Amino acid sequence: EIVMTQSPATLSVSPGERATLSCRASQSVSSNLAWYQQKPGQAPRLLIYGASTRATGIPARFSGSGFGTEFTLSISSLQSEDFAVYYCQQYNNWPYTFGQGTKLEIK
Amino acid sequence: QVQLVQSEAEVKKPGASMKVSCKASGYTFTSYGISWVRQAPGQGLEWMGWISAYNGNTHYTQKFQGRVTMTRDTSTTTAYMELRSLRSDDTAVYYCARDRCSGGSCHIFDPWGQGTLVTVSS
Repeated sequence: EIVMTQSPATLSVSPGERATLSCRASQSVSSNLAWYQQKPGQAPRLLIYGASTRATGIPARFSGSGFGTEFTLSISSLQSEDFAVYYCQQYNNWPYTFGQGTKLEIK
Repeated sequence: QVQLVQSEAEVKKPGASMKVSCKASGYTFTSYGISWVRQAPGQGLEWMGWISAYNGNTHYTQKFQGRVTMTRDTSTTTAYMELRSLRSDDTAVYYCARDRCSGGSCHIFDPWGQGTLVTVSS
């Protein structure tokens, strides 16, 4: 099973600044990586797939990069609605696994 | 619009079974697979398995093999997930989520149902 490790566990950033979240896979997942956003009491929402492709309706301030085992989600100019928990997920190998999440909080 | 609407919250006793439904609308039901993902209180996301809405083929993770059954009813465009021999650590929110890709299985989850809280307690 591929283990996905996200860092940091919690990230404190001020509104208007840039946030950078990391995700590492225990073995290569090629570009088969997705990012999800989850707000309290809500279901996760797909942000990014294919490591760098934004899902429908996702603002351009969200961007993803990486390949193989190292991935990054960047959010430029943080808005109040961006403070949430973010999960990465690999879909290269069964079983499809998630990271433990990064909580993005207001500084 | 594409929508997945799940059944209401349930309370179950240890050893019992649960069955959560996921009613799909806004797309051709048989063209997309559906996965089930659970989230224990305050914890992360755990993929449980997948069902093809086209032919009913299933893939379950080893952790749930033998205890879970995923089915679908094409006449009502509804997917179901049954989990048996419930334990307290099965207390979680259970989500259904549609494959983003049609005609196959890409296991990118979009969209998700609203979630169903199942509490296992004596």
